[in-house]
Amino acid sequence: DAGVTQSPTHLIKTRGQQVTLRCSPKSGHDTVSWYQQALGQGPQFIFQYYEEEERQRGNFPDRFSGHQFPNYSSELNVNALLLGDSALYLCASSWDRGHGKLFFGSGTQLSVL
Amino acid sequence: DAKTTQPPSMDCAEGRAANLPCNHSTISGNEYVYWYRQIHSQGPQYIIHGLKNNETNEMASLIITEDRKSSTLILPHATLRDTAVYYCIVIGGGGADGLTFGKGTHLIIQP
Repeated sequence: DAGVTQSPTHLIKTRGQQVTLRCSPKSGHDTVSWYQQALGQGPQFIFQYYEEEERQRGNFPDRFSGHQFPNYSSELNVNALLLGDSALYLCASSWDRGHGKLFFGSGTQLSVL
Repeated sequence: DAKTTQPPSMDCAEGRAANLPCNHSTISGNEYVYWYRQIHSQGPQYIIHGLKNNETNEMASLIITEDRKSSTLILPHATLRDTAVYYCIVIGGGGADGLTFGKGTHLIIQP
């Protein structure tokens, strides 16, 4: 049983560009959450998708958007990249919003130059 | 969700029990205590959670004080692979909100 898979594992972009990160949840899970982790910090909640809708959102600007597909996979899009967007982006999945028990992927390391 | 306080770092000898404290003095009656850990270059991993009773699973034990204002995660026989950042998180009973991670405790297991 595959766990949470994220792609790509590493990405380099320049300021002003747009990026799309992808996540496939653990088999049987229907909820996907995205987190941003800056170096030396704990992960910060971006948003959660359930039933193809954004259900919860953290304190992130509208440049951060997402989508969930009927097969429960998800994308995170970031527009107009800033240097400060450089971070590890983590996807987590759970069943039926999962309360606090989430399964995380290994993340996508995004570098903005 | 209640705020948590953890020491920034701890050392423990390999083979000994690692006891990681967490203070959550403002926890309310329907809030759960969750523990995650993050090994370098990996995503966080769920360890254990509890409401008021002590809990044990194959990874660890969770001891919650009677007043629920603090808890301790116990790794009974620490190994080098247990070196990681450990996060204590309090989550409301309604659940489903995004998790609020602090900076956690960096546990270093010494050979």
